Amino acid sequence: TQLLEQSPQFLSIQEGENLTVYCNSSSVFSSLQWYRQEPGEGPVLLVTVVTGGEVKKLKRLTFQFGDARKDSSLHITAAQPGDTGLYLCAGEPGNQFYFGTGTSLTVIP
Amino acid sequence: DSGVTQTPKHLITATGQRVTLRCSPRSGDLSVYWYQQSLDQGLQFLIQYYNGEERAKGNILERFSAQQFPDLHSELNLSSLELGDSALYFCASSGWDSPYEQYFGPGTRLTVT
Repeated sequence: TQLLEQSPQFLSIQEGENLTVYCNSSSVFSSLQWYRQEPGEGPVLLVTVVTGGEVKKLKRLTFQFGDARKDSSLHITAAQPGDTGLYLCAGEPGNQFYFGTGTSLTVIP
Repeated sequence: DSGVTQTPKHLITATGQRVTLRCSPRSGDLSVYWYQQSLDQGLQFLIQYYNGEERAKGNILERFSAQQFPDLHSELNLSSLELGDSALYFCASSGWDSPYEQYFGPGTRLTVT
C-alpha cells in the first residue's frame, strides 16, 4: 500500500478539455508538493501547498490542499499538449519522503 | 536546468559488479536526496544527507551506501548488483529555507545485465 495514492493512474484527453488529478492519503502532511516529470528526466517542482484549504494557481493549473491536510488535487483548465507528462504529488509525514503513485497525462492535439 | 548535476547519464554493468553514481547539488543547497525510480515501484526515497551527515533513511538496501563530501557533492555506491537494480537513479537537492522543495538532477540510468 502506497502512502500517497493518486488517481486516475492514466488520463488521455483532447486539447482544450479540463481535468482533475487527485492525491489522497490517510496521513496528515505539513505540506504537499506537486511535480511534473517528462520521460527520462527528473521531476520538476510545480508548487507547494501548506495550509489546509489552500488554493494556489499557476496559470491554467489550480492546486488545492484538503482542509484536513490529507489530500490534494490538481485541476488543469484547457489542457494543452505541453501539459503531457507524469504528475506526482509528494510529502514528508515523518522523516522520510514519499512520492505518489503518479498520474500519466496525455493531451492529444 | 535545475542546477543539479549527475554523472554518468547512462551506466551498463554486469550482475555482481559495483558502481558509483555522482551528484552535485545546486549552489548553496546543503541537502542531497537519492531516489530510485523503476516502472513497477515508482519513485522511492533512498537516503538524505544534510551538510555531510545522514539525515533520513528510506528503502535503501544494505548493498547500497551513500555519502556527502565536504564540498557537498554526494555519491551513491551500489554493490553486488542484481538485475532488479536496473532503474533510474535521481539525486535532488534542497535549500535550508524550503527543505521540502526538491530540485532534481537529470538522473542516471543504470542497466544491469
